[in-house]
Amino acid sequence: KNEVEQSPQNLTAQEGEFITINCSYSVGISALHWLQQHPGGGIVSLFMLSSGKKKHGRLIATINIQEKHSSLHITASHPRDSAVYICAVRSMDSNYQLIWGAGTKLIIKP
Amino acid sequence: EAGVAQSPRYKIIEKRQSVAFWCNPISGHATLYWYQQILGQGPKLLIQFQNNGVVDDSQLPKDRFSAERLKGVDSTLKIQPAKLEDSAVYLCASSLQLAGGTEQFFGPGTRLTVL
Repeated sequence: KNEVEQSPQNLTAQEGEFITINCSYSVGISALHWLQQHPGGGIVSLFMLSSGKKKHGRLIATINIQEKHSSLHITASHPRDSAVYICAVRSMDSNYQLIWGAGTKLIIKP
Repeated sequence: EAGVAQSPRYKIIEKRQSVAFWCNPISGHATLYWYQQILGQGPKLLIQFQNNGVVDDSQLPKDRFSAERLKGVDSTLKIQPAKLEDSAVYLCASSLQLAGGTEQFFGPGTRLTVL
């Protein structure tokens, strides 16, 4: 079993829909990251959080430390949101390295 | 604030050739990471530096890969000789410090194709 599990693996939605991507982890962490990667592009950090909730524009990230679960929400989705969204946790067990989820490929259709 | 710079952006070589990638982290960032991302997979950490010292290189194939960060700033990653399975995007990232909830900032990556 992977230490970081993301769901769904693939998600296709219509423009304007509310999007939720989930991340569950099994290790002790100091922080959880949500990152975005466009095809052929580098990785952009969206959020780093260790508790509660953060909001940036149409993106919202929440984390429940007790349940070891985080969600990334996109409101009023747009085709330019199409990308791979990756959850990564900073593990306390191994030099605070990032443990990566497999990513969720999101396609927003106009 | 300038981000993490990487060069080249793209490189195509034949197997058994050598290749080197360069990374300039964000100014003041002590920790530097090199990742390998094969198409369809998440990034795999190859090596992690704290200043000019190696913190973790357990997943670096040392028979063909080498990396250095001599002055604790720029870093180079070398592959010699390259194999077909080395085709991937090589990502460099930096963070202010090693421990705790420190955010990593990523460069644009170098896409390597080995023919």
